[in-house]
Amino acid sequence: ELKVEQNPLFLSMQEGKNYTIYCNYSTTSDRLYWYRQDPGKSLESLFVLLSNGAVKQEGRLMASLDTKARLSTLHITAAVHDLSATYFCAVNLNQAGTALIFGKGTTLSVSS
Amino acid sequence: DTGVSQNPRHKITKRGQNVTFRCDPISEHNRLYWYRQTLGQGPEFLTYFQNEAQLEKSRLLSDRFSAERPKGSFSTLEIQRTEQGDSAMYLCASSRQGGGFTSPLHFGNGTRLTVT
Repeated sequence: ELKVEQNPLFLSMQEGKNYTIYCNYSTTSDRLYWYRQDPGKSLESLFVLLSNGAVKQEGRLMASLDTKARLSTLHITAAVHDLSATYFCAVNLNQAGTALIFGKGTTLSVSS
Repeated sequence: DTGVSQNPRHKITKRGQNVTFRCDPISEHNRLYWYRQTLGQGPEFLTYFQNEAQLEKSRLLSDRFSAERPKGSFSTLEIQRTEQGDSAMYLCASSRQGGGFTSPLHFGNGTRLTVT
C-alpha cells in the first residue's frame, strides 16, 4: 500500500524565515505533485515534478524530487503572510497515474 | 476556463437519506475524478472517469456509492442510505488528456456533506 507522509504537519513561521517541508512516499513513483489549500477553498496546483532531480521554483517556493530516496521537499524562502495555507504532496498510486495519494498536509502559519 | 463547478456547495441530510452531487469539469478536460476529504486529512481518491467510462474505483467506494458520467461531460456522485461517517467534503477534479497523466488535477470547491 502506498503511503505518503509529510512533516511537519504544522509549522509556525516568522516572516522572513526559511523552512522546508518534507514528503516521503513508500513505493516507486516517477511523479509527484504539490498542492496548496486555503481554508474553505479547494486545492490549487503548485508543482508537478516528473523525474529524479527535478527542481521547480515559483516565487518563494521551490520544490525538488529525489525518486531514489522517495523524497520531495518544498522549500520556503523568506516567508510572507500570504503563504499561510495547507500544503499537500501527492503521488501516483499506479503507473497509469489515475489515482493520486495525498499526504495529510502541512499547515503553515506565517506571522510577523 | 471557468474552472470545475460543483453543486450544491453544502448539503445537510438525515442518516438514511440519499444524496446526489453534481460536478461540471473544465470543458476540454476528458478526465474526471472524485475525491473525499475529511478534516485534517488529505483528499482520498474515490473514482476516475475517462470520458464516460468509469475506469477506476477505490475500495473506499462502497456499494452505497455510485458515480456516473453519462455523456462524458458532467458527473454525478450518489450516496444511498447515508451514514454519519459519510460526512466529508466531496471534491471533483478534472484534467486534460495527453502528457501521460502528468497534467495536474484541477479541483472544484467541493460539496460539504453533513449527515445528522
